[in-house]
Amino acid sequence: QVQLQESGPGLVKPSETLSLTCTVSGGSISGSTYYWGWIRQPPGGGLEWIASVYYTGSTYYNPPLKSRVAISVDTSKNQFSLRLSSVTAADTAIYFCARAGGGYDPFDYWGLGTLVTVSS
Amino acid sequence: EIVMTQSPATLSVSPGERATLSCRASQSVGSSLAWYQQKPGQAPRLVIYAASTRATDIPARFSGSGSGTEFTLTISSLQSEDFAVYYCQQYNSWPPLTFGGGTKVEIK
Repeated sequence: QVQLQESGPGLVKPSETLSLTCTVSGGSISGSTYYWGWIRQPPGGGLEWIASVYYTGSTYYNPPLKSRVAISVDTSKNQFSLRLSSVTAADTAIYFCARAGGGYDPFDYWGLGTLVTVSS
Repeated sequence: EIVMTQSPATLSVSPGERATLSCRASQSVGSSLAWYQQKPGQAPRLVIYAASTRATDIPARFSGSGSGTEFTLTISSLQSEDFAVYYCQQYNSWPPLTFGGGTKVEIK
């Protein structure tokens, strides 16, 4: 059974960079057809896709966030990561990592999510 | 960008009754449409993919239909554990992957 676990600071100051890591267990992050993604949800709000990465390093970003986001994969650690720069209060959200079965598949496994608050 | 619109925003249903949720895409997504269920404090859970295929361990009372731009999630006889927020998502044309705004199914 694949499991995903987000980790990172729960509090980030405005204008700084948010950094999160997703650790995958129960399966390899490399090989096969899986895409690995980050999705966020502001308090009381809906879901917003942020970015996805393939194990080869190919990356895909949501255009409104593209200038501030970087997603990467570390196959040796079975992890993938998210960096979001120049954060504001609008970036306060629960951040989920998730797996898609392929490039044209839904997210079938999700982490529990981690709340990141942007505040001074 | 493909915009996903869900209706209604809130659906009040009595246990045992049928619930019908709608999702519309701003352009055709073929059958590349998923439905997720999210309960408070939990991650979304995949319910339906490819518009009409139930995900693993999803009970048969959940069914999906539609193609192109109009989709429906039906819960035939609501159980207490089905009260939640449901989101649709298209994965036909990306980036970006896009979600609908959600429908909250609440107890009437």
